[in-house]
Amino acid sequence: AQSVSQHNHHVILSEAASLELGCNYSYGGTVNLFWYVQYPGQHLQLLLKYFSGDPLVKGIKGFEAEFIKSKFSFNLRKPSVQWSDTAEYFCAVNAGAGKSTFGDGTTLTVKP
Amino acid sequence: DAGVTQSPTHLIKTRGQQVTLRCSPKSGHDTVSWYQQALGQGPQFIFQYYEEEERQRGNFPDRFSGHQFPNYSSELNVNALLLGDSALYLCASSLWVSEQYFGPGTRLTVT
Repeated sequence: AQSVSQHNHHVILSEAASLELGCNYSYGGTVNLFWYVQYPGQHLQLLLKYFSGDPLVKGIKGFEAEFIKSKFSFNLRKPSVQWSDTAEYFCAVNAGAGKSTFGDGTTLTVKP
Repeated sequence: DAGVTQSPTHLIKTRGQQVTLRCSPKSGHDTVSWYQQALGQGPQFIFQYYEEEERQRGNFPDRFSGHQFPNYSSELNVNALLLGDSALYLCASSLWVSEQYFGPGTRLTVT
């Protein structure tokens, strides 16, 4: 069975600080990986995805994530966060058959 | 282009009752998946519909059932509601196994 672990439950940063959110998954086969974001009062939106190819993927709003197969990790990064990045972030894994397994999310609070 | 829509937005039911939630997928999408999101947790996969058939199912009891219509819209039915069924129910649509687009969810409260 697939599982996803997000190690940081709540992260608090000041504007312009760098961000890295951890995500590890357990599954032995080929996976598709996603980061979703949920801004306050809004629904889940796709930030970025990895299906194959270059393990460094870029998403919207300056976010990027790196897939490290040997570490079963897909960490999310942003060099300089803004107050508007305050949201909940979810990592998800999909083994190619449509069912996605989500982590429990990381709440990011950016102080202005 | 309308995204994924869900109705109703909020719902309050009593234990033992039955509920039906509805979802219209994003235009061009043919697959609908349903998730349950309890407070403080990530979405949990309930099941997925493609070509009007349930294709995959998560670890949810038979009280949870669904349907997909020829226009790709879908319903989630929950029978014999329990207090623990209180959650945000999310619908996601996709073109088969491509990335999923989520709707705003239906907040179900069971009293």
